[in-house]
Amino acid sequence: GENVEQHPSTLSVQEGDSAVIKCTYSDSASNYFPWYKQELGKRPQLIIDIRSNVGEKKDQRIAVTLNKTAKHFSLHITETQPEDSAVYFCAADDRGSTLGRLYFGRGTQLTVWP
Amino acid sequence: DAGVTQSPTHLIKTRGQQVTLRCSPKSGHDTVSWYQQALGQGPQFIFQYYEEEERQRGNFPDRFSGHQFPNYSSELNVNALLLGDSALYLCATNRGNTEAFFGQGTRLTVV
Repeated sequence: GENVEQHPSTLSVQEGDSAVIKCTYSDSASNYFPWYKQELGKRPQLIIDIRSNVGEKKDQRIAVTLNKTAKHFSLHITETQPEDSAVYFCAADDRGSTLGRLYFGRGTQLTVWP
Repeated sequence: DAGVTQSPTHLIKTRGQQVTLRCSPKSGHDTVSWYQQALGQGPQFIFQYYEEEERQRGNFPDRFSGHQFPNYSSELNVNALLLGDSALYLCATNRGNTEAFFGQGTRLTVV
């Protein structure tokens, strides 16, 4: 099955700086890569996703890049704010036309200091 | 739209007991996936239900079983509970290749 590795496990940045979280996957059949933000005691919430036919996607301060050849994808958060502090998970899905079986990384605890 | 709802929110059980967790999907969603999230870890896929049948299964023992009802809601059952089953159990729902929405989870503690 798919194996998703995520780095770093913890990340501390100053407010206004950028944060980058990187993930690698093992199964070349994976074609959907979502990123979830999970605040303490709350549900994971989708913040951005990318499909394998796209190399980059941006939504305001958040962007995701995908390198299918190298089997890695990254989350970029610019102009970080204290409310960005949370655990971020990357995931991969290999089902193609139907989703739901997500393989998650172990998470990155992001702390943004004011 | 209430989104994905799970019940109960918290549960304490004794080792060896059985437990049933419930999930109501977001309006319009017909697929329910269950995940186990141990403390400090990413969610791990247990199984997925579609059209009242288990469509996919992760690497979990047969003690974990489920059901989906005609209204698309779902139950997760765990028999012969072990201390290691203590975790946050999340359900996620979607339809086709749309994004998956998670419920708030059920925190299960086995003592």
